[in-house]
Amino acid sequence: GESVGLHLPTLSVQEGDNSIINCAYSNSASDYFIWYKQESGKGPQFIIDIRSNMDKRQGQRVTVLLNKTVKHLSLQIAATQPGDSAVYFCAENNAGNMLTFGGGTRLMVKP
Amino acid sequence: NAGVTQTPKFQVLKTGQSMTLQCAQDMNHNSMYWYRQDPGMGLRLIYYSASEGTTDKGEVPNGYNVSRLNKREFSLRLESAAPSQTSVYFCASSPRHRDYGYTFGSGTRLTVV
Repeated sequence: GESVGLHLPTLSVQEGDNSIINCAYSNSASDYFIWYKQESGKGPQFIIDIRSNMDKRQGQRVTVLLNKTVKHLSLQIAATQPGDSAVYFCAENNAGNMLTFGGGTRLMVKP
Repeated sequence: NAGVTQTPKFQVLKTGQSMTLQCAQDMNHNSMYWYRQDPGMGLRLIYYSASEGTTDKGEVPNGYNVSRLNKREFSLRLESAAPSQTSVYFCASSPRHRDYGYTFGSGTRLTVV
């Protein structure tokens, strides 16, 4: 979730390769985490979530890993496709009533 | 099309002008949210409505007001726009409060000059 906005961290991968996007979260008391995908000109779209009682959760082509010891979250995308090009955000529920979003990572897929 | 609809999509205001951003959802969700998205800041919560008839402040409520008009609609008002409010505004909804499977609208890009 680290970001400098206009200078978003960018990950560039070749089509077909696997992508790993990382996020450091802030609150050790957070118990729920979500990854969102945001395509240009659109709102964020839910990808996958994980609760703090789990270390790993898999979806279709995506896997989220949670390391509570170092407060680290990662999103793995298998066989990355051009349609995966977007900004990816992690979010945590660190205050009970609301989600806190990271700044995002831009994924660029080269054909 | 089911989802969250925001209007307008783009708006330019002069400093001091007022405007209302509209949001409507047709998924029968109980909870609705307004976020702003700025470079380097991620999405920040402005206000939320856990259920019809209630509204609460989020992280950055100053300069804004909200109205939960009914279960479907949640509006955001800028009474006196400032350049610092230039941002992209997103409305979201969820089935119930603390159900974090939010559905987001496509956003309103607001520029205050």
